[in-house]
Formats: sequence, C-alpha cells, structure tokens
Amino acid sequence: DAGVIQSPRHEVTEMGQEVTLRCKPISGHDYLFWYRQTMMRGLELLIYFNNNVPIDDSGMPEDRFSAKMPNASFSTLKIQPSEPRDSAVYFCASSPPGVYEQYFGPGTRLTVT
Amino acid sequence: AQSVTQLGSHVSVSEGALVLLRCNYSSSVPPYLFWYVQYPNQGLQLLLKYTSAATLVKGINGFEAEFKKSETSFHLTKPSAHMSDAAEYFCAVSVTNTGNQFYFGTGTSLTVIP
Repeated sequence: DAGVIQSPRHEVTEMGQEVTLRCKPISGHDYLFWYRQTMMRGLELLIYFNNNVPIDDSGMPEDRFSAKMPNASFSTLKIQPSEPRDSAVYFCASSPPGVYEQYFGPGTRLTVT
Repeated sequence: AQSVTQLGSHVSVSEGALVLLRCNYSSSVPPYLFWYVQYPNQGLQLLLKYTSAATLVKGINGFEAEFKKSETSFHLTKPSAHMSDAAEYFCAVSVTNTGNQFYFGTGTSLTVIP
C-alpha cells in the first residue's frame, strides 16, 4: 500500500496567491482529516470528512480556507488569498471503517512570503 | 469534552536509559488512547494504541504504555533508549461518540544523549 499521498511536498508562494494542497487517502478508508502543524500552535485539526461529506469544519481558521472531497480518493485544501501566517506544515490523514487509527501523509510544507 | 496533557515539552535521556513520556487525558466516556511518533520532516506514525483491551499495550520499536484509569494516564515507556528514538512524540485521545476525531497533545521532544 502506498500510504497517504500528499502533493506538493513543498510549496513557496507569495502573499495573496491561491494555494491548493492535495491528498489521496489510502484506498478503502472512509475518513479523511486535514491538520495544520506550527511551532506556536502545535497540531490543529482543520476539517474532517466521512464518506466524502464534511463532518466538522470548526477548525478552519477563516473563510480564506476551503476543503473539498469530490470522491473517495481525492481531497483538496485551498487557501485564497494566502498570508504569511498560513506558513505551516499541512498534514492529511485517513482512517479505515471501524478502526480507531489515523494514517498520516508526509505533509506539505507551505511557506508564504 | 476530550483533551490530552503531555507533561514536559522536552525530555532528554542518556542512551541506554529508561524513557518515560507522560500523558494524562480527560474524557467523559471510556477513551481510546494513542501514541504517535514524528521524525524530522516526516508525518506522524502510530506507535501503539489502547482500545479497551489489555491495559498494558506494546508497540513498535520496544515502546509500551499502560492505561491507568484511576490516574487518567497513559504514559509511554521504553526500558533502554536508542539514538534512533530521538523524535517528537504525541499522545492522542478519541472517543466513540466523536467519530474518528482525535485530540492530540502538544507533543514531547525526546533527545537521546550519547
């Protein structure tokens, strides 16, 4: 199994630009989570989906952030417009049905200048 | 509400010494508990989990953790530290009525001194 796949692994962009992060969960997993990790705030849950439906987006910082899951094998996290304070490592994780485990991807390191 | 507290954001041990990383949880219902490890520039990897079976849980790389309900604790231990154990360790809690949502602690950075 390839594990959770995230792309890109590194993204450097200028303030005001749109950023799209991508995630492919492990096949057969029905939960998908987006996290953000910073030194100041640690690991924060942004949003999670069950069977492609958003369940809880209370962690999304503001309207500049949006996430979609058009099918079971793909999800995006979009930031528009990006700001320097969005610089962080963004992780995607997935979870199989009936099993309390989360499998993390390698993360996308986002730098907004 | 569920939460996790990790005591000590930084822990240093000598190679070969006991590793003890502390985790206390708060949960109104029986929890599931987890330890994850994060190596530099990598994602989180599951070390071990407690899901209401045996209270002493063994994980990968020689780590184990004991669930103590009376103390609401789930401390992570390893008898003898190895240089390769240097990493960030996260404790997490989940409960059945929140789906698969995990609540992570703030992490403990483990340094192993040669």
